[in-house]
Amino acid sequence: DVKVTQSSRYLVKRTGEKVFLECVQDMDHENMFWYRQDPGLGLRLIYFSYDVKMKEKGDIPEGYSVSREKKERFSLILESASTNQTSMYLCASSPGDYKETQYFGPGTRLLVL
Amino acid sequence: QKEVEQNSGPLSVPEGAIASLNCTYSDRVSQSFFWYRQYSGKSPELIMSIYSNGDKEDGRFTAQLNKASQYVSLLIRDSQPSDSATYLCAVNKGNTGFQKLVFGTGTRLLVSP
Repeated sequence: DVKVTQSSRYLVKRTGEKVFLECVQDMDHENMFWYRQDPGLGLRLIYFSYDVKMKEKGDIPEGYSVSREKKERFSLILESASTNQTSMYLCASSPGDYKETQYFGPGTRLLVL
Repeated sequence: QKEVEQNSGPLSVPEGAIASLNCTYSDRVSQSFFWYRQYSGKSPELIMSIYSNGDKEDGRFTAQLNKASQYVSLLIRDSQPSDSATYLCAVNKGNTGFQKLVFGTGTRLLVSP
């Protein structure tokens, strides 16, 4: 079974803090993705990576950065957390082929106070 | 116009009935299409994928694709209360060899006993 894990299920941070969200997959997938999910807005792509040390901006990259030093790990960084970054964050991974689905981690619910 | 559109619902059906969920997309070059189920507070899980025009059946689920009309649907036969969830339609915008999914905002399905 494909397994995607995220470092925290729930996180509470203060405005201005630097926040690290970690994602690890165990299926040797090339592609990894970070989304945020908000009511009424659906899943929105923040950043994705198709190879180690490679990253591409998604639809809403402002205020975020990412790091992919190893194939199995993809980190999302909130440089200076703000209240409008309170959300559910979902990591996903997929093999390289366009026909393949994305497998999601359990999600991290982040609250920024 | 949104890239992937779904009626937000809720769609209410009695137990044992057929639930019909619909999705339209705007990008004609889209190659692959996915239906995910998401329970409240959980991450999305894949139900069906479809790439060719026509129907694809898997147990109680049937996905239907009409590329000319840019329309994809999911039928759930013999609906069960456990099917109550939000159903997300996702469309792959990537070229062959790479995948980037665009998600609809989801349709909430309620199956009453």
